[in-house]
Amino acid sequence: GQNIDQPTEMTATEGAIVQINCTYQTSGFNGLFWYQQHAGEAPTFLSYNVLDGLEEKGRFSSFLSRSKGYSYLLLKELQMKDSASYLCAVRSGGFKTIFGAGTRLFVKA
Amino acid sequence: KAGVTQTPRYLIKTRGQQVTLSCSPISGHRSVSWYQQTPGQGLQFLFEYFSETQRNKGNFPGRFSGRQFSNSRSEMNVSTLELGDSALYLCASRAGENTEAFFGQGTRLTVV
Repeated sequence: GQNIDQPTEMTATEGAIVQINCTYQTSGFNGLFWYQQHAGEAPTFLSYNVLDGLEEKGRFSSFLSRSKGYSYLLLKELQMKDSASYLCAVRSGGFKTIFGAGTRLFVKA
Repeated sequence: KAGVTQTPRYLIKTRGQQVTLSCSPISGHRSVSWYQQTPGQGLQFLFEYFSETQRNKGNFPGRFSGRQFSNSRSEMNVSTLELGDSALYLCASRAGENTEAFFGQGTRLTVV
């Protein structure tokens, strides 16, 4: 079957660094996406990895290892506004995107 | 450029009724996907359309159906509503095959 696992909740302190892990097993692989979703709002795109390695975009970085079926999202210099759910999603074969259940991040002062 | 528009935003229906939800993608986007989001399950894939053709369907009963029109607007229909169908239904459009999805604000359906 197809499955994506990520932690349910994480808590971190303002100004710190947090890493959200995601492991996946899918039929086919055409890229891995990270989305941010604030409560009551639509998900918004953060990053895309299709090749192994690290993609950096400002305070956010995402890493992919296709051989291990593993990715992480790294958030640096955490701000209160980063409190949200972070969704890991894999574009699998057959024009299908599988989402993980999401990781709720709480940033405390 | 207008974003993805979903209507209605909120809907209350009674068990056994049917409902139709609408999605207008970003101009130029021909790929439209639908998802059901519930607190416990996260986003569950319903279907994906491209140029009026359904390219894939998730593991939902036949009560869930959809279609896409020539202008790329899409609708999904749920017949014989059940209490468990209460959820946020999200639509997303893409510019390319494996590019990022742009989501609408969703339709929150409550079945009573």
